[in-house]
Order: sequence, then C-alpha cells, then structure tokens
Amino acid sequence: DTAVSQTPKYLVTQMGNDKSIKCEQNLGHDTMYWYKQDSKKFLKIMFSYNNKELIINETVPNRFSPKSPDKAHLNLHINSLELGDSAVYFCASSQGPFVTYEQYFGPGTRLTVT
Amino acid sequence: DQQVKQNSPSLSVQEGRISILNCDYTNSMFDYFLWYKKYPAEGPTFLISISSIKDKNEDGRFTVFLNKSAKHLSLHIVPSQPGDSAVYFCAASALPGNRKLIWGLGTSLGVNP
Repeated sequence: DTAVSQTPKYLVTQMGNDKSIKCEQNLGHDTMYWYKQDSKKFLKIMFSYNNKELIINETVPNRFSPKSPDKAHLNLHINSLELGDSAVYFCASSQGPFVTYEQYFGPGTRLTVT
Repeated sequence: DQQVKQNSPSLSVQEGRISILNCDYTNSMFDYFLWYKKYPAEGPTFLISISSIKDKNEDGRFTVFLNKSAKHLSLHIVPSQPGDSAVYFCAASALPGNRKLIWGLGTSLGVNP
C-alpha cells in the first residue's frame, strides 16, 4: 500500500498545453508539498499546504496552481506548458509543517514538454 | 546561489569500508540538517538529521557530524553495503520557522561488492 502516490508517473506533452499531476497520501499527514527537480538535479520546494492552507509559495510562475481538495490530496495544475517546465515533480507529505517532521516522498512524475 | 553544496558528484567505495559524504553550507542561519537517500525512479527517503545544538548524531551504521565553525557536515556509513548505493542529498533549514528545506545537488554513492 503506497504511502504517497502520484499520477501519472510519466507525462509527455507539447508546449502550450495544460496538464495536471495528482498526489495522494494515506499517512494521515497534515502537510503536503510539491517539489521540482530540474535537469541539474536541484530539488526545490514549490508549494506547501498545511491542513489545506497554503503556507509556502515559492517564486513559481503563476502558470502553476496547486489545489488541495482535502488533507490527503494535493494536485498541481500547469497552464501553457513551456520547455523549461520539463523536470521531475515530487509530491511529499509530513505530519506537520516544520522540517523536524520527516517528509515522505512520492515516486515522482517525469514531465517532458516538447 | 547554492546555499548547500555537495562538491563530490559521485563516490565509489568497497563493501565493508567506510563511506564519507560531505556537505558544506553558506547560510549561518541554518540550524537543522538532514540527509536523504534516493534510489532511481523513487522519491527521496529520510535517513538521519542533526540539530545545530549537537555535533554528532548516530543511527545504526549512519552517523552525521556537524562542524558549525566550518559550516560543514558529513555522513559516515560504516560498514558500507551494496544496498547503500544511491544518491545522497544533504538538506538544511534556517530559522525562523524552519518550514523550508534547502537541498544540495546530491552525491551518487556506489558500493562495490
């Protein structure tokens, strides 16, 4: 039973399209995150939600919009995809919003924009 | 601006020997440090952490050392096993709030049987 799951695992799409990535956690955690790992392998926080409230919103183009329908789900919608959006996107969850709580990661979604 | 640096992209050691992975940081406000391990096609998994009030933390075969004056931490794995072959990420967090992790680029460790 996967603790943090993401769908899809792979996503290939063309520039200008709109796409969504879904994340679900069954750990009962209050906090969820979206990270981006770019081609240089940098892992960078994008957003964090705690109890469905946005608490971290890094400098990310507003084409990226997270949505948390409930504490167990955090989706990422990307409008007007660009080549530079190609990356691996990781979802994570933790018991609370502080880094002293262990973060559990999903397997990642590899997005390729052509 | 890389605040967390892992200057060795890769490291190769023999099974049974010690693996030492290094991490340097530039932000003197960092006060909590973590190591994560990542296998291919999987997300990172938490390994060990250390608060700035300590200089050492041990968990089984894994020990993290923190040298605040040098802004340096290291992860020791003793003895190294083939299953330890993975990418190891160093991450740090700063006051106030400690809500955001700043990650290094990772070091790929290969343990040869």
